[in-house]
Amino acid sequence: DSGVTQTPKHLITATGQRVTLRCSPRSGDLSVYWYQQSLDQGLQFLIQYYNGEERAKGNILERFSAQQFPDLHSELNLSSLELGDSALYFCASSVGWGKNIQYFGAGTRLSVL
Amino acid sequence: LAKTTQPISMDSYEGQEVNITCSHNNIATNDYITWYQQFPSQGPRFIIQGYKTKVTNEVASLFIPADRKSSTLSLPRVSLSDTAVYYCLVGEENAGNMLTFGGGTRLMVKP
Repeated sequence: DSGVTQTPKHLITATGQRVTLRCSPRSGDLSVYWYQQSLDQGLQFLIQYYNGEERAKGNILERFSAQQFPDLHSELNLSSLELGDSALYFCASSVGWGKNIQYFGAGTRLSVL
Repeated sequence: LAKTTQPISMDSYEGQEVNITCSHNNIATNDYITWYQQFPSQGPRFIIQGYKTKVTNEVASLFIPADRKSSTLSLPRVSLSDTAVYYCLVGEENAGNMLTFGGGTRLMVKP
């Protein structure tokens, strides 16, 4: 158990809908990262927050947004969903950023039908 | 931006030593090199991290030459349960840079 909690584990929705994925980082970790992994693909970095502020941005679509709350949990909002958004979404946390070790959650599997 | 390059896949047999090399020609002075292991439908798990020379822990060794343009993850005496995807990650110190996992190396351990 990495200590990072992601909910829900599975999510099935339809095209055009909006969903919210939630992540609770390990106790004491200030950084939260979001990644997308499509079937048999590598991990695509989406966005990083550090202590409530956006720290780094990857190839995140404009339809996607995220935030980190004062209690350090984070939410990833995906809107106007398309079939191609079906993927595993992982959240990771670390104490800081850069060389700090990231601890990953079990992921949320999103299926867009 | 330090991009990493790894072999797409490797095969090995139980009991053998496996070496996976990662190239990172544009590594920055303050960057660390970190390796992760990922099983299907699970989040990646930290294996080892280093800056230069050699680092060893209970599961692996990491060899980094003086120029730091590459690194080699060494798994001693692999077993079937080591079958996984292995990612090399070069840590970016500055805000605004992407955290690049790369495609990873799919290791298949055969009996």
